[in-house]
Amino acid sequence: EDQVTQSPEALRLQEGESSSLNCSYTVSGLRGLFWYRQDPGKGPEFLFTLYSAGEEKEKERLKATLTKKESFLHITAPKPEDSATYLCAVQAKTGGGADGLTFGKGTHLIIQP
Amino acid sequence: ETGVTQTPRHLVMGMTNKKSLKCEQHLGHNAMYWYKQSAKKPLELMFVYSLEERVENNSVPSRFSPECPNSSHLFLHLHTLQPEDSALYLCASSQDPRGTEAFFGQGTRLTVV
Repeated sequence: EDQVTQSPEALRLQEGESSSLNCSYTVSGLRGLFWYRQDPGKGPEFLFTLYSAGEEKEKERLKATLTKKESFLHITAPKPEDSATYLCAVQAKTGGGADGLTFGKGTHLIIQP
Repeated sequence: ETGVTQTPRHLVMGMTNKKSLKCEQHLGHNAMYWYKQSAKKPLELMFVYSLEERVENNSVPSRFSPECPNSSHLFLHLHTLQPEDSALYLCASSQDPRGTEAFFGQGTRLTVV
């Protein structure tokens, strides 16, 4: 069974204080790992897709990296508007058909001014 | 405007009512999904449709009945729900059902009384 574990569950940072969020996964064969941002009362907003170990993607203050067992979302010099819940999800390679995503519980990030 | 639109945004229904959730995607995607998001739990995949055919049903109770009349529209028909079914119901779409990112709507906040 595919599993995704995110840590920490919650993180409070000062504005400008860089940090990293962790996503550990167990999957029979990884087709893709996805990062989303979710604001309260809204649907998840797509951030990144990573397909293979060693791959990195960047967008503004965010950088996502991938190894064979985990992914990190690095946040550099965050601003209050970066406050949100960050979700990690994996899609497994299966025998056929379409597959949805297996999500972690998320990391609730608060950036204080 | 989001590429995936869900209506209604909020719904309160009694346990004996019948209601439907609607989702429309304007992205030209080939796959559509229903997810359930409950408090303190990860997003749970409910149904997957690829080119209008249901390809996955994640052991969802029969009181939830999906319908995909064409590649742009997805419905979730609800009847005789239980209070524990109260949650945020999210629709998503992706270009390819395998390995491409999914884009989510804003969700329908359902309360069963």
